Amino acid sequence: QVQLVQSGAEVKKPGASVKVSCKASGYTFPSYGISWVRQAPGQGLEWMGWISTYNGNAKYAQKVHGRITMTTDTSTSTAYMELRSLRSDDTAIYYCARDGSDSAAAGNFDYWGQGTLVTVSS
Amino acid sequence: EIVLTQSPATLSLSPGERATLSCRASQSVGSYLVWYQQKPGQAPRLLIYDASNRATGIPARFSGSGSGTDFTLTISSLEPEDFAVYFCQQRSNWPITFGQGTRLEI
Repeated sequence: QVQLVQSGAEVKKPGASVKVSCKASGYTFPSYGISWVRQAPGQGLEWMGWISTYNGNAKYAQKVHGRITMTTDTSTSTAYMELRSLRSDDTAIYYCARDGSDSAAAGNFDYWGQGTLVTVSS
Repeated sequence: EIVLTQSPATLSLSPGERATLSCRASQSVGSYLVWYQQKPGQAPRLLIYDASNRATGIPARFSGSGSGTDFTLTISSLEPEDFAVYFCQQRSNWPITFGQGTRLEI
C-alpha cells in the first residue's frame, strides 16, 4: 500500500534551518510528484511547493520563495523540504503529499504523510 | 492568487441529515477544484477531485458539483464519522490555494 513516512518533530531557533524528509513506498516513486503543505496550529492549509520526482523541477509558493528548497533522492524514494531563516510564524505541521507527475497535473494530493511538527522558538 | 471562500464557517447538523458545503473562487478555476476532509490530529484525506470525481474508497454519500467559481460538496446522509473539517482547494493556477475550511459539527 502507498505510504509516505516523514521524519520526526523538530525544535529550531529563529534564523536556523530545518530539513524534513518524506520516504515513499508502495508505488513507483518517479511516477508522481510531491507537494509540501503546512498547517499552523489551529489554522488552515497552505501549499508551499511542488517537485517533480522525475526530473527535479520545482515550483515554490511566493511566500517562502528564496527560503525553501525541495529535493528528491530516487535511489531511496525520499523527498526533502528544507526551510531556512526560520521565523516564529513558520511554526506548523509540515505535510508531504503525493501529487501529479507534472506541473499540469499537480494539485490532487491523494496520499499524505503523517506530518512533521516544526516549532520555531527562542 | 485565487482566493477560495468557504461557507458556512461552521455547520451544525445531526446524523442522517444532508450537508451542503460551499466553496466560491475569486476567479474561474474551471473544474480544477478539490475537496479534502480533515479530522483532529490527522492529515487531510482526498474526497473529491476535479469538482465531481470521488477519490478511491470514498463512499457514495459524498458528491461534488459545480464549475467556474461556485462549487458544492454534498453529504447526502451524515454518518457519525463525517463530522470533521472540510477544505476546498484549487489547482487551476499557481499557486495552489485552499479555502479556510468548514467545520461540520454535531
